[in-house]
Amino acid sequence: KNEVEQSPQNLTAQEGEFITINCSYSVGISALHWLQQHPGGGIVSLFMLSSGKKKHGRLIATINIQEKHSSLHITASHPRDSAVYICAVYYRAGTASKLTFGTGTRLQVTL
Amino acid sequence: DTGVSQDPRHKITKRGQNVTFRCDPISEHNRLYWYRQTLGQGPEFLTYFQNEAQLEKSRLLSDRFSAERPKGSFSTLEIQRTEQGDSAMYLCASDNSGGNQPQHFGDGTRLSIL
Repeated sequence: KNEVEQSPQNLTAQEGEFITINCSYSVGISALHWLQQHPGGGIVSLFMLSSGKKKHGRLIATINIQEKHSSLHITASHPRDSAVYICAVYYRAGTASKLTFGTGTRLQVTL
Repeated sequence: DTGVSQDPRHKITKRGQNVTFRCDPISEHNRLYWYRQTLGQGPEFLTYFQNEAQLEKSRLLSDRFSAERPKGSFSTLEIQRTEQGDSAMYLCASDNSGGNQPQHFGDGTRLSIL
């Protein structure tokens, strides 16, 4: 069964803290997405990666294909980072690269 | 690039009514996806189009659901005889085939069944 698991489910941090969100998946994938979802529903793609590490501003995403694991790190967290962070993987199935999503990690950053 | 737009943003209707949602993808994108997201869960795949062809449908898409993309541009998702369990956020996304680019998501349509 194709599954994506995230941890933790909920995370509260103080402004300035270093944050790590983890994602594990069960079978081989072609790529992995990290997505951000704010209240109201809109989803923004943060990273798409298939190997190694990517960095954008205060956000860093890493993936270990052998261990089927990815992490999203936020350095110097800020209240505006409060959102749900969703890991999604592309399994090559059928005729499309369908996305299979984790249940998300709800992050609250306080002052 | 105006992004993926969905209409309406919110829909409240009584059980048993039919509803239709619209998605306008990014104009250069030939693939369009519909997902459903219930409270506290991640989105789940419903169906996918490449141009005007509907190439894949999830088991989640019962016979009360139908999706179209008649001219390969915008898409509609219709739910007939709505049920309480249809209450969810319906998300649309688009991308291009053949490339290694991420999907772009709309803001979703939140459906509430009374």
